[in-house]
Amino acid sequence: EVQLAESGGGLVQPGGSLRLSCAASGFTFSNYEMNWVRQAPGKGLEWVSYITSSARTMYYADSVKSRFTISRDNAKNSLYLQMNSLRAEDTAVYYCARTSGRTYMDVWGKGTTVTVSS
Amino acid sequence: EIVLTQSPATLSLSPGDRATLSCRASQSVSSYLAWYQQKPGQAPRLLIYDASNRATGIPARFSGSGSGTDFTLTISSLEPEDFAVYYCQLRSYWPPYTFGQGTKLEIK
Repeated sequence: EVQLAESGGGLVQPGGSLRLSCAASGFTFSNYEMNWVRQAPGKGLEWVSYITSSARTMYYADSVKSRFTISRDNAKNSLYLQMNSLRAEDTAVYYCARTSGRTYMDVWGKGTTVTVSS
Repeated sequence: EIVLTQSPATLSLSPGDRATLSCRASQSVSSYLAWYQQKPGQAPRLLIYDASNRATGIPARFSGSGSGTDFTLTISSLEPEDFAVYYCQLRSYWPPYTFGQGTKLEIK
């Protein structure tokens, strides 16, 4: 079964750091581009970051640029999001999503919750 | 930057009704438009990709259409499990991925 499973969320103080992980199974992870998408409480979906299958290219939303870093380890079938200088507005459920054809997200994890609060 | 505007914000219908959800882009775009369904406490689920292609396992009552700036998701006859929030999403130059603000489909 094709699956993605996020972990690493939690409560962190403003200015703190957190590293999210996404474990992939049931498909050839190294063949797919990946995205992180977040959803603040009661709000819509917001794209956060993208990485190509080879990790040669990464993109970031303006709201997280220079604070977040996306990476992957194809040998471990894992995707990561290093989040630094966290702000209250980063509070959200963070989803990892498999991307197909570079255009749509066809497999999603269940999400991990990040809460930034003092 | 391209903005996607979904309408209506909330749609109140009954099981068996036909639902028409709109997604309008702020400028003419490619057909790399996808639709997702999200139920409370769950991750989004891909319904339609490239404007009109149903994703694997999606019932035939869901269909997508449109081009240019106007795209539509149609549910031909609503089932009880279809009441949820629906998002459109575009792949473009920048930002590479944009979501609409969502349409809540609720039971009338």
